[in-house]
Amino acid sequence: SQQGEEDPQALSIQEGENATMNCSYKTSINNLQWYRQNSGRGLVHLILIRSNEREKHSGRLRVTLDTSKKSSSLLITASRAADTASYFCATDNNNDMRFGAGTRLTVKP
Amino acid sequence: EAGVAQSPRYKIIEKRQSVAFWCNPISGHATLYWYQQILGQGPKLLIQFQNNGVVDDSQLPKDRFSAERLKGVDSTLKIQPAKLEDSAVYLCASSLVPTGSYEQYFGPGTRLTVT
Repeated sequence: SQQGEEDPQALSIQEGENATMNCSYKTSINNLQWYRQNSGRGLVHLILIRSNEREKHSGRLRVTLDTSKKSSSLLITASRAADTASYFCATDNNNDMRFGAGTRLTVKP
Repeated sequence: EAGVAQSPRYKIIEKRQSVAFWCNPISGHATLYWYQQILGQGPKLLIQFQNNGVVDDSQLPKDRFSAERLKGVDSTLKIQPAKLEDSAVYLCASSLVPTGSYEQYFGPGTRLTVT
């Protein structure tokens, strides 16, 4: 069964805009990771945030984690057409990794 | 650094037939994972190996699925017999140590179609 639930399921924006995706989960976690999957390809790790961290940045990516609300958000700033992909959150609870169903992001040029 | 290799990339079989997938993880990665990703869903962990021992296979349908990792390197995943609902992409991933603090590196996957 899947642990995380991403919201929204699909998001369409114009190039240059920011994209925000949310992930909610049910049980306690050790860390939470975000992955990107381009059409027909494998998943690529984007960022990992530990349960004792509240925010992390990597380039145009910003991830927040609120363990009290059991939720995380991924912000992509100044989006590009190449950011078009599905984005998944994955929760880790004692080495038990569970992926959500993903958010499908479309960035229009 | 070479990535995770998987073969074949595509496979079409009829229901009740058998199929096997192969995975070669990144050199030096002790942990290997097999995931099933049904269209429109996130990956679902089937089995996790630490070297050549099974760490977690709680979501593996053991009546038809089997996996092995001989010598703690390559791994094969087998389905016998296949059902229509097994149509999915099968992803192999590896990580340096058991997941917790380390990212997983994914292969391109094998797309299985069962007719």
